[in-house]
Amino acid sequence: DGGITQSPKYLFRKEGQNVTLSCEQNLNHDTMYWYRQDPGQGLRLIYYSQIVNDFQKGDIAEGYSVSREKKESFPLTVTSAQKNPTAFYLCASRGFGRAEAFFGQGTRLTVV
Amino acid sequence: SQQGEEDPQALSIQEGENATMNCSYKTSINNLQWYRQNSGRGLVHLILIRSNEREKHSGRLRVTLDTSKKSSSLLITASRAADTASYFCATDANSGTYKYIFGTGTRLKVLA
Repeated sequence: DGGITQSPKYLFRKEGQNVTLSCEQNLNHDTMYWYRQDPGQGLRLIYYSQIVNDFQKGDIAEGYSVSREKKESFPLTVTSAQKNPTAFYLCASRGFGRAEAFFGQGTRLTVV
Repeated sequence: SQQGEEDPQALSIQEGENATMNCSYKTSINNLQWYRQNSGRGLVHLILIRSNEREKHSGRLRVTLDTSKKSSSLLITASRAADTASYFCATDANSGTYKYIFGTGTRLKVLA
């Protein structure tokens, strides 16, 4: 089945640690996105990428980093510089010339 | 903030009633989309309306768009308990950046 897969579903991070969230899609989509969602809130854009080896900062990129070495994969690293990382993280993708986004099931990150 | 606004923030209705939620946005758009999010899950695309359309239907969903007022509404008719979810509007900014701007969401609860 075609889709977008995020892993892990739950992730716990200790203070000062970097953690990486995985996002893989087999939809052959060019554009991929990372969003952060806080409880009862909308989605805020962290980073997006329209092509391999290129990505753009979103509205809240500080404390996060990404890479796009393969079309199918867009991992997000939450660095120790992100002071309030506890949130629900959503990855999405979009096909060329298409308007609708396809979302993964999310990763819930908690700082312990 | 670039985020759109949705109202009401929360809505509770009885099964069989209609649910209406509204979205306002700030910039000129190519299209507006509505997404649904079940608790703790990713978003699912429901319906898209283009900037030159005024109304669109899909099953029990009816979407209207008023570009002069920069607003849209989503009507769910004959609601079911399974419609309980959060609903978000997203605008595809007319900027060529492939960025979505999401609203703050309406939490709908349908009581059986």
